[in-house]
Amino acid sequence: GAGVSQSPRYKVAKRGQDVALRCDPISGHVSLFWYQQALGQGPEFLTYFQNEAQLDKSGLPSDRFFAERPEGSVSTLKIQRTQQEDSAVYLCASSSPGQRANYGYTFGSGTRLTVV
Amino acid sequence: GNSVTQMEGPVTLSEEAFLTINCTYTATGYPSLFWYVQYPGEGLQLLLKATKADDKGSNKGFEATYRKETTSFHLEKGSVQVSDSAVYFCALSGSARQLTFGSGTQLTVLP
Repeated sequence: GAGVSQSPRYKVAKRGQDVALRCDPISGHVSLFWYQQALGQGPEFLTYFQNEAQLDKSGLPSDRFFAERPEGSVSTLKIQRTQQEDSAVYLCASSSPGQRANYGYTFGSGTRLTVV
Repeated sequence: GNSVTQMEGPVTLSEEAFLTINCTYTATGYPSLFWYVQYPGEGLQLLLKATKADDKGSNKGFEATYRKETTSFHLEKGSVQVSDSAVYFCALSGSARQLTFGSGTQLTVLP
């Protein structure tokens, strides 16, 4: 596609509910990142994929958070047993094979998760 | 580890005023530096970048110079417009692939 697409745009979950957030990167983009942006804060790194391989998951805040990218394109971030502190905007970003990190990434518009 | 410290906001300016948003960083090695902009309801957009010391990134009238001696990457614009109202994030990319962001600065430009 023309850009990074994320769905749903908004998600309201009851505390304890499981949620799944989807990211469709730009076609052909090898690298895919997930970030968490709390209200009034900058995005914080969660995890990184190169193709289907999850190369870095050091930013995942707990074992309730799980991400996958089984075919090296679409990625899903799953949060189990959601808590209020999980309320944030979840951003996905991708970059092309020829881009090194210093060229920056293309971000999606994010999914705003509210846990009530 | 890597960190980015940004000027506290919010910043409110009149149209055509001069803008400076300060950014300093801590990193090992030679990071690349970025400014991203987030307009209301939209995702992050890359505004400009610099990949080595003394490089100047520029775009849409905005400029920032990579100053290794002061570990800074301050954002400037000579004459802001109402349409520049947004949140601005300074970020760096070091040896790891991911970006480290500052906390963001909300800019409001009044007509």
